[in-house]
This record gives sequence, C-alpha cells and structure tokens, in this order.
Amino acid sequence: SQELEQSPQSLIVQEGKNLTINCTSSKTLYGLYWYKQKYGEGLIFLMMLQKGGEEKSHEKITAKLDEKKQQSSLHITASQPSHAGIYLCGADFDQAGTALIFGKGTTLSVSS
Amino acid sequence: GAVVSQHPSWVICKSGTSVKIECRSLDFQATTMFWYRQFPKQSLMLMATSNEGSKATYEQGVEKDKFLINHASLTLSTLTVTSAHPEDSSFYICSASLESTYGYTFGSGTRLTVV
Repeated sequence: SQELEQSPQSLIVQEGKNLTINCTSSKTLYGLYWYKQKYGEGLIFLMMLQKGGEEKSHEKITAKLDEKKQQSSLHITASQPSHAGIYLCGADFDQAGTALIFGKGTTLSVSS
Repeated sequence: GAVVSQHPSWVICKSGTSVKIECRSLDFQATTMFWYRQFPKQSLMLMATSNEGSKATYEQGVEKDKFLINHASLTLSTLTVTSAHPEDSSFYICSASLESTYGYTFGSGTRLTVV
C-alpha cells in the first residue's frame, strides 16, 4: 500500500502565482525529503526535514513538517517557468539509512 | 559532495539479452545502495536494497532472478536485467545513503529500452 499520499497529482499555475504541494503519511516519519525531477533525469534535492514543526526555505521554496511528523507541505512563492517539473516527497520511516519511500509525485506546469 | 555515478545513462537492447547498470560512489563508501524503477508519469518504486558483501533484499513482487544485484565493494553496486523483455523498459535509478551526513544521494538514472 502507498505509505505516502501526495497531492495534487498535477498542477497548472500561472507565472507569478503561489502554490502548495502536500505530502501525508499514515505513520510517523523519521525524515522527509523533497526532490524535483524531470522524467528520465536524476533527482534534484530540495530540502530535508526531520524535526516536528521544522520549516526550511531556499530561494522561493519553503517546506514545512508538522508537529506530528506525518504531513509536509512544499510552498512555492511567485512561481516561474523554471519551477516546472515533477515534485516528489520521499520519507524514511524507521531509521536513518533505510530506503526512501516516495509519494506518487506532483507534476507542476507554469504558464507564462 | 557525495556523488554517485550511474552508467550507462541510456541503453537499447534486444529482447532476450542481459543489460548491466553500474552505480559507483565516487568520493565515499556506500555500505548500502538502493535501486528504484520509474515508469512514465509515475513515481520511483523501490526494487531492492543492496548491502556490500551480502545478498540484496528485494521488495515484494520484484523477481530476484531477473534483476540481479551485486554489491561486491563499498564503491560499486550493479543491477543486471537478465533476459530483458519490452516490459522491462523503464528508468532505473540508484541511491546511496550517506551515513556521515544523514541523507541520500542519487545517480542520474538509466533509461532502458528493450526492443
């Protein structure tokens, strides 16, 4: 069964608009990772969250992990065409060093 | 930073032949590596966990005799797709856990097309 639910599955936004992608787990996470990918290419690491309530930002992207460590959100402010791609959340559940399990991904398109 | 080099980046092979994909950790020792498979417009699905010097652990539904994994050294893990068929066509990507920094690094992936 899918342990990470990611929503929405796809998203089309106008350039300059804000957007949020959610990642929800049925059980407590050990660590939560956000990646960006273009299909057929490697993963670009965005951010890692480990502590409940943690929030990290890089340029126009902010990621948060809730206190219970079961839900994370990725927020993009003032989206640009360069933000287009597939966003994947991945998590390890037991301990550091175990395999990341990924959500189904969110395909983001930014129209200019 | 920690880099995993994956080769080849793409390969086309005939049905019935075998294909080997290599992942090398360039500047660190990878005790554990993970192999994923990705179909078009889908997410990464974990195939197996590879530990140096021991047998790989396969996820449910993954044929271990078809997807042979070897992790003979701390810097090299290989995935061999044996007797490939068109349904094996996919994007394969490896990953290594980074014990020193608690994180993961990914190879650039291999696009396999079986004709």
